[in-house]
Amino acid sequence: DVKVTQSSRYLVKRTGEKVFLECVQDMDHENMFWYRQDPGLGLRLIYFSYDVKMKEKGDIPEGYSVSREKKERFSLILESASTNQTSMYLCASSGYDRVRGEAFFGQGTRLTVV
Amino acid sequence: GQQLNQSPQSMFIQEGEDVSMNCTSSSIFNTWLWYKQDPGEGPVLLIALYKAGELTSNGRLTAQFGITRKDSFLNISASIPSDVGIYFCAGRPSNTGNQFYFGTGTSLTVIP
Repeated sequence: DVKVTQSSRYLVKRTGEKVFLECVQDMDHENMFWYRQDPGLGLRLIYFSYDVKMKEKGDIPEGYSVSREKKERFSLILESASTNQTSMYLCASSGYDRVRGEAFFGQGTRLTVV
Repeated sequence: GQQLNQSPQSMFIQEGEDVSMNCTSSSIFNTWLWYKQDPGEGPVLLIALYKAGELTSNGRLTAQFGITRKDSFLNISASIPSDVGIYFCAGRPSNTGNQFYFGTGTSLTVIP
């Protein structure tokens, strides 16, 4: 059974804190993604990575950074959390295949910044 | 980034009814995916489609990859209360290989 695991289901952090969201996949996938999901705005891509140590900005990278030191792990970092970063964060992974490729999601992390 | 046009935005149906929803894109896609998301959970993959015209079933769910490669359809037959949730389409354009684009979701409510 394929698995994408996010380290926390719920997090509450204070404004200005540095926040780490961790994601691990066991499918040997090359691609990993971080999205945030807000009501009425759908899924928005923050960053993605197509290989170890490689990263690409998505649609809303401001205020975030990422780290991919190992193939199975992709971390999202909020350098200085702000209340407008309160959201549901979803990690996903997929294989690198132009013909066949499916994205699998983690269970999500509900982050509240107070 | 590109967001897919998904309709309808919400549906309220009686238990036992059939459901149809669709997604359209301005770009040609190589892959269409359909997900279901329960409240507070991550999306779960329901069906994956890889070829234009392909029709694939998963239990009471059937999805089709449009022949123009710019649209996809999901049907749910004989709905039951546990079908409640948000359904998303996702597509992988032929010119990227890595990124996915998502629909805005269809919220389904099934009235017993």
